[in-house]
Amino acid sequence: KAGVTQTPRYLIKTRGQQVTLSCSPISGHRSVSWYQQTPGQGLQFLFEYFSETQRNKGNFPGRFSGRQFSNSRSEMNVSTLELGDSALYLCASSRYGDSVNEQFFGPGTRLTVL
Amino acid sequence: KNEVEQSPQNLTAQEGEFITINCSYSVGISALHWLQQHPGGGIVSLFMLSSGKKKHGRLIATINIQEKHSSLHITASHPRDSAVYICAVTPFVTSGSRLTFGEGTQLTVNP
Repeated sequence: KAGVTQTPRYLIKTRGQQVTLSCSPISGHRSVSWYQQTPGQGLQFLFEYFSETQRNKGNFPGRFSGRQFSNSRSEMNVSTLELGDSALYLCASSRYGDSVNEQFFGPGTRLTVL
Repeated sequence: KNEVEQSPQNLTAQEGEFITINCSYSVGISALHWLQQHPGGGIVSLFMLSSGKKKHGRLIATINIQEKHSSLHITASHPRDSAVYICAVTPFVTSGSRLTFGEGTQLTVNP
C-alpha cells in the first residue's frame, strides 16, 4: 500500500510569489492535515480537510489556504510569500479523521523563500 | 507555557542504554501520539495511546491521564534510534485529528 506522497519535495521561490503544494493521502483515507515545521516555532497545525470540507484551521494568516478534492487529494496554497514562510510543510492522512485515528505523515515539501 | 512540554530537549546515550523521554501536557486530551523524525524530515508515528501502556519491539509508551504525563522508553538503545522524538496531543476541544506538538527531544545514541 503506497504511503502519503507530497509534491514537489523541494521548492525555491522569491518573496511575493505564490506556491501550491500537493498531498496525496493513503488510499481510503479521507482526512488530510497540513503542518508547518520551522526551527523557531517547531511543528504547527495549518488546517485539516475531511470529505472536501475544511474542518479545522490553525492560527495562520489568510495567505495560507487549502482545498481537498473528491479523491481526497489536497493542495495548500501560500500567496504573497514572505521570508518567514520558509519551512518544511508536512501533510498527514488518517482514515476517518477523528481524534483517535493514527496519522500517517508524508515526506514533506521543503520550501525556501529568497 | 506550551500546552505540551517535553524533557529532556537533548539526550546523548551509549549503545545499549535504557532511555526515557518525558512528556507533560496541560489540557484534556483524546489521544497522545509519539512520533519519530529522522534527518531529512520524514515523520513516523510510533504510538497513539489514550490510556495505559503500549509496547512495540524495544519501544514502550505509557500514559497517566490523571497526572497528564506520558513517557517513551527505549530499551537496549542502538545508534539507529538516533532521531528527534516528538510528543503530540489531540485536545478534547478539537474535533477531528488536529495535533498540538511538543518541541521534540533530540536523541543521539553513540556506538
